[in-house]
Amino acid sequence: GQNIDQPTEMTATEGAIVQINCTYQTSGFNGLFWYQQHAGEAPTFLSYNVLDGLEEKGRFSSFLSRSKGYSYLLLKELQMKDSASYLCAVRDSGYALNFGKGTSLLVTP
Amino acid sequence: EPEVTQTPSHQVTQMGQEVILRCVPISNHLYFYWYRQILGQKVEFLVSFYNNEISEKSEIFDDQFSVERPDGSNFTLKIRSTKLEDSAMYFCASTRVGENTEAFFGQGTRLTVV
Repeated sequence: GQNIDQPTEMTATEGAIVQINCTYQTSGFNGLFWYQQHAGEAPTFLSYNVLDGLEEKGRFSSFLSRSKGYSYLLLKELQMKDSASYLCAVRDSGYALNFGKGTSLLVTP
Repeated sequence: EPEVTQTPSHQVTQMGQEVILRCVPISNHLYFYWYRQILGQKVEFLVSFYNNEISEKSEIFDDQFSVERPDGSNFTLKIRSTKLEDSAMYFCASTRVGENTEAFFGQGTRLTVV
């Protein structure tokens, strides 16, 4: 089975940096994905990690430690539009994504 | 930019009725998926489809569900006899073949069973 844990809610200030953690226990591992989902909308892809280390894409970075079953998504220079749910998803042996429950991020002025 | 399109955006149906949700995946993608998200809950995998057959399916995808690629562009999810608990947002997604390929999601069909 799969177990993917993320904090339920986080709040941060506009312009600040926030780190959203994700821990996972899966039977196999073929990559970890982060998606953003605004209320009532589809998930949109943010980042992908399959090897240990940091992947940086503009204001977003994602880190993976396979030995610890741990990842984080780092959002810099927060903007109001970053208020959304952030979904951690693991791909085990196939192509299907197994999602965590998501972290609802509120960015305040 | 290519996108996955889904129709209808919202469907209301009576319990026990059959519904068909439609999707047009991105044209050069070869893997297709259905996911669902019950209001306030996590996104759940239902089924993946590759080379005209089911590749993986979850426990949720029981005998009341079926998928089909009736032509070269559409990918459908059929629910034979809907239940109240089938009310959810249903997302279609597609990917290229390859390990580091992200899934692109459609905007979803909100299914309401009354």
